[in-house]
Amino acid sequence: QVQLQESGPGLVKPSQTLSLTCTVSGGSISSGSYYWSWIRQPAGKGLECIGRIYTSGTTNYNPSLTSRVTISVDTSKNQFSLKMSSVTAADTAVYYCARTDYGNNPRGSGFDLWGQGTLVTVSS
Amino acid sequence: DIQMTQSPSTLSASVGDRVTITCRASQSISSWLAWYQQKPGKAPKLLIYKASSLESGVPSRFSGSGSGTEFTLTISSLQPDDFVTYYCQQYNSYPWTFGQGTKVEIK
Repeated sequence: QVQLQESGPGLVKPSQTLSLTCTVSGGSISSGSYYWSWIRQPAGKGLECIGRIYTSGTTNYNPSLTSRVTISVDTSKNQFSLKMSSVTAADTAVYYCARTDYGNNPRGSGFDLWGQGTLVTVSS
Repeated sequence: DIQMTQSPSTLSASVGDRVTITCRASQSISSWLAWYQQKPGKAPKLLIYKASSLESGVPSRFSGSGSGTEFTLTISSLQPDDFVTYYCQQYNSYPWTFGQGTKVEIK
């Protein structure tokens, strides 16, 4: 059974770079037709898509964050990663990694698999 | 970006009630809509995709309908485990966007 697990520092200083990794276990990140995404949720608020990556390395980012975000994939480690630069308190949130299966249609069918989420706090 | 608006924001109901949550898109998204359930402290769980397709393993009391700009999630008979928050999400165009959520609380 495929599982996702986020990891990374829980505390980041303002203006620094947030770095998170999502490890895929129970299956290969390269098998099948999947988008691998990062999503965040500030405390008590809604969900925001940050960006996604195909295992080919093609990425799409939320235009509101594109200048600060890089998503990459390391198929040898079965991981994909998020880097967000110049963070502020507004970036404090639970960060989730998630999967979308686009095997039956290019748009996919929602996020069918999620990590448990990791809280990142931006504070000095 | 496509804006997704859910109503109501909070819904009070009792065990056994039939409830409906509405989600409206700021432009047509065809049937590219998903519904999620989120329990406190947990990741969202996919319930419905393509507006009306039930995700594997999801109880049949959950159903979805709609197309274009207006969609509904119906829970036919609320169970104690269902008193949590629900989100809609469009995946017609990137960035994919979510509604603000509907919290179902016990009356």
